[in-house]
Amino acid sequence: QQQVKQSPQSLIVQKGGISIINCAYENTAFDYFPWYQQFPGKGPALLIAIRPDVSEKKEGRFTISFNKSAKQFSLHIMDSQPGDSATYFCAATNTPPESYQLTFGKGTKLSVIP
Amino acid sequence: DAEITQSPRHKITETGRQVTLACHQTWNHNNMFWYRQDLGHGLRLIHYSYGVQDTNKGEVSDGYSVSRSNTEDLPLTLESAASSQTSVYFCASSEGWSEAFFGQGTRLTVV
Repeated sequence: QQQVKQSPQSLIVQKGGISIINCAYENTAFDYFPWYQQFPGKGPALLIAIRPDVSEKKEGRFTISFNKSAKQFSLHIMDSQPGDSATYFCAATNTPPESYQLTFGKGTKLSVIP
Repeated sequence: DAEITQSPRHKITETGRQVTLACHQTWNHNNMFWYRQDLGHGLRLIHYSYGVQDTNKGEVSDGYSVSRSNTEDLPLTLESAASSQTSVYFCASSEGWSEAFFGQGTRLTVV
């Protein structure tokens, strides 16, 4: 079974701090790595995504770092805010035609305390 | 605005009953997915469809079925509900490699 391993399971960060969530994958055919953010009672929503042809992608306070050789990628949230408190899922998929399924990590519950 | 809606939002059913969860999207996306979300397991794929009349099994398909008769809908049926199927169910849709859009979820309790 294709897997994406995510850590930590939960994370508590002070307001203004940096939140870091890590993911590792096994399938070298994966070539699209999105992160989803989920607030309580809501469905997940795309936050940011990266392809392995770049090592980093930044959108505002959110950055994905990608290490193809180590088969690892991570989400960094700079200047974390209480409004960032949510569950974050990393995911991966591969791009042969007819293969659009996402394989998700188990999620990280982030709590940002004032 | 285009959207994806799930119904019902909450349901309680008895063991052994057949249950159908609805998913309707107005994005006109070809790809539709059903996931279940459980503590400690994240999101696991149940079934998916890449177009009308196309359905495929995911990681945890036992006890579930889907049918795709049109682009907009992918209902999920639990043939004979079991307590192990108590979960939050999410439907999603996407087009090619674009963003997957998720519904608000259905919380199902099997008693």
